This record gives sequence, C-alpha cells and structure tokens, in this order.
Amino acid sequence: RKEVEQDPGPFNVPEGATVAFNCTYSNSASQSFFWYRQDCRKEPKLLMSVYSSGNEDGRFTAQLNRASQYISLLIRDSKLSDSATYLCVVNAGTYKYIFGTGTRLKVLA
Amino acid sequence: DAGVTQSPTHLIKTRGQQVTLRCSPKSGHDTVSWYQQALGQGPQFIFQYYEEEERQRGNFPDRFSGHQFPNYSSELNVNALLLGDSALYLCASSGGGQVIYGYTFGSGTRLTVV
Repeated sequence: RKEVEQDPGPFNVPEGATVAFNCTYSNSASQSFFWYRQDCRKEPKLLMSVYSSGNEDGRFTAQLNRASQYISLLIRDSKLSDSATYLCVVNAGTYKYIFGTGTRLKVLA
Repeated sequence: DAGVTQSPTHLIKTRGQQVTLRCSPKSGHDTVSWYQQALGQGPQFIFQYYEEEERQRGNFPDRFSGHQFPNYSSELNVNALLLGDSALYLCASSGGGQVIYGYTFGSGTRLTVV
C-alpha cells in the first residue's frame, strides 16, 4: 500500500458544483496533514492545513478521519479558477512529508 | 518579503554529468527540504536540511547530496546524471525547524537530462 493515495481523476465538474476529494494514508501515527494546490507547470501552494476538528476557509472545507485514515477536501460553488491539481500531504515521521500523486480538477463553464 | 528563490529555472545536462541546484529560503525560514517531481506525479521527498545538517532523507541514492549554508540557503547536487533524473526539482522552506505550518515552495528548477 502506498503511503499516501489519491484518485488521480480528472474530476470534470460544472461551475457552481460541489466536489470532494479523498486522500488515504497508511501511517496511523501521522499527525500533520495539508492540502496543496498546484497549477500546471507551477509550484505547489499551500491551500490549507487539516485539523482534527475539521476546518473551513471560505468555499473550502477539510476534514480528517483518523479511524479510517483519510483526509478530505470539499469545494463548494466551484469556480473556473479552481481548476488545478490538488495534492494531499501527510507527515511520515517528524521531518518527512509525503505528497500524494494529486487529483486533477477541471471546472467547466 | 522575498519568497523561496531557486536557480537556475531551467537546465539541460548530458547523462553522466553533475549538476548543482540552488535555493534561498523565504525570509525567516531556517529549514529547507528538496523534492523531485516527475511529470504527472506528486513531489517525492529527497531530503531536509536544518542547522546545516541533513536530518531526514527519502529513498534517493547517494548520487543525490546536499548542503545548507549558515545563511540557510541550500544546494542540491546530483552526480552521474541519468535520463530518469529529468524532473522538476522543488525547494521548500519552513520556519522554526519544523513543517507544522506547511511549506513555502520555490518555483522549481526544471532539469532535462539528454
């Protein structure tokens, strides 16, 4: 089993739709979780950290399910500008952070 | 407030050559991590430097080595280049010796090995 797994997509959704991505991780001791956004041929940019209690930032909601070892990202009211690859990141040990392969989202007009 | 800067932005090398990539972390950051991102893949952790020491390493061969300087900037060296080393190399910085608030990435160095 891979340390961090994501559905590569692509997820093609219309503008205004709600879309959710999951990311599973194998290390039950992991404590730090993040979602990054990466535009084509650009560097990843931090979208949000994922806290145990779940957290929301505008149209974006991140949740952690420790029992099933996955994190999720929900995007409401999708915009064309949300089209990107979404990468989940999980720590594997104190200093090593593992990225998933990313989930591609395309928001259609 | 300068973000993470990497140089060069693009590089073409021949198999067997050696390459050095450079990174200056974001102002106030003291920890530098290097990642390799092949096309269509997520970034793969190479190693992390803190206080001029490599303190964590991913599954990369010894051909990949690095250095951190007293001003926190860092270099990634790759010897005996292989075609498979062609990738985007990303430098990520963080502060307080930790990554708990996430990384700030540079725009990367795109290495092509021919």
